[in-house]
Amino acid sequence: GESVGLHLPTLSVQEGDNSIINCAYSNSASDYFIWYKQESGKGPQFIIDIRSNMDKRQGQRVTVLLNKTVKHLSLQIAATQPGDSAVYFCAEIAPGNNRLAFGKGNQVVVIP
Amino acid sequence: DTGVSQDPRHKITKRGQNVTFRCDPISEHNRLYWYRQTLGQGPEFLTYFQNEAQLEKSRLLSDRFSAERPKGSFSTLEIQRTEQGDSAMYLCASSPGQLVYGYTFGSGTRLTVV
Repeated sequence: GESVGLHLPTLSVQEGDNSIINCAYSNSASDYFIWYKQESGKGPQFIIDIRSNMDKRQGQRVTVLLNKTVKHLSLQIAATQPGDSAVYFCAEIAPGNNRLAFGKGNQVVVIP
Repeated sequence: DTGVSQDPRHKITKRGQNVTFRCDPISEHNRLYWYRQTLGQGPEFLTYFQNEAQLEKSRLLSDRFSAERPKGSFSTLEIQRTEQGDSAMYLCASSPGQLVYGYTFGSGTRLTVV
């Protein structure tokens, strides 16, 4: 498969603007999805999750949208702040499974 | 500290040496997971425990890798005869039960094999 290596897709966004990060997942049977934020030198940090019986879920400044037809997730961050600069991963899990399958990361760089 | 703790944070070792990492999960979590992450990639599943039982292992976990969780609390991951390809971040996570809700990662151990 395609290897991203060091060249992560990067989104540069002005502080205060909204950010949208996209993710294509692989398993149509997956029924639970999580967005993680990972800062340099740290482990992934939970942001928001969504089950497959929903198409939208909102948290504090974040919204996740799920389109099962095209196996697509998106994460919207409102009023992006410098502290939002990180790599963002989506992860999926299928019923009866215990492992998270992570998608490719997206780097967000917030410009003050 | 109520999070997942991993030790050491960084390890540099010579090729061919053995290394061991430790993970202390959140105390009430009975499930513990190990993942490996290389630069620019998402974490990849290695293995998981429910209490002291190792219930699943990935094909990524070669015979040079062994994980234990002897008392159902902390876990160790040992890599024997390290190779340069083993250089990666090794992440531990824990969750409270059958479902993955509350899945929490530690900060990882960065291994560099020289």
